[in-house]
Amino acid sequence: AQKVTQAQTEISVVEKEDVTLDCVYETRDTTYYLFWYKQPPSGELVFLIRRNSFDEQNEISGRYSWNFQKSTSSFNFTITASQVVDSAVYFCALSGGGADGLTFGKGTHLIIQP
Amino acid sequence: KAGVTQTPRYLIKTRGQQVTLSCSPISGHRSVSWYQQTPGQGLQFLFEYFSETQRNKGNFPGRFSGRQFSNSRSEMNVSTLELGDSALYLCASRQASSTDTQYFGPGTRLTVL
Repeated sequence: AQKVTQAQTEISVVEKEDVTLDCVYETRDTTYYLFWYKQPPSGELVFLIRRNSFDEQNEISGRYSWNFQKSTSSFNFTITASQVVDSAVYFCALSGGGADGLTFGKGTHLIIQP
Repeated sequence: KAGVTQTPRYLIKTRGQQVTLSCSPISGHRSVSWYQQTPGQGLQFLFEYFSETQRNKGNFPGRFSGRQFSNSRSEMNVSTLELGDSALYLCASRQASSTDTQYFGPGTRLTVL
């Protein structure tokens, strides 16, 4: 069975601080896919990034960066110079590529204080 | 391109009633999945439809059912509603392959009284 753990239930930082959201996963699949989604108060899940298990290259996109470490089964997400608009619940998700849907973590509620 | 749309956005029902939720995928997407989000259980996969056929189903009772039409639009039905069915129901679409990224709609918030 697959499992995604987001140990941080809630993080509160002051605007402009850097913040890292942790994600640890478990899977027996040799090929799998990892995702981060953002859920603002409106409720819609917004896709942020996808990583394939066979591609360990880390990525930076503006203020966002992702660190995929297969050896530790982690897929962490960092926001640099956080802004109030980054406040949301962030979900890490895993898929084995089959038609069994995404397995989500419990989410991390990120609060950016002005 | 328009995103995934869901109707209605809010719904209030009473126990024992049934409800139908609708989802229109992104144009060109042929797969639609449904998820239930509750504070206690988090986000859980209900089922996925592709080419009008259910491709997979999560661990939910038979009261939860769905279907997909030839234009890829999907409906989800819950019969004999229970208080515990109160949740945000999210629909996601993807192009076709089970390895494609899923894009979510705004959800339907169902309250069962």
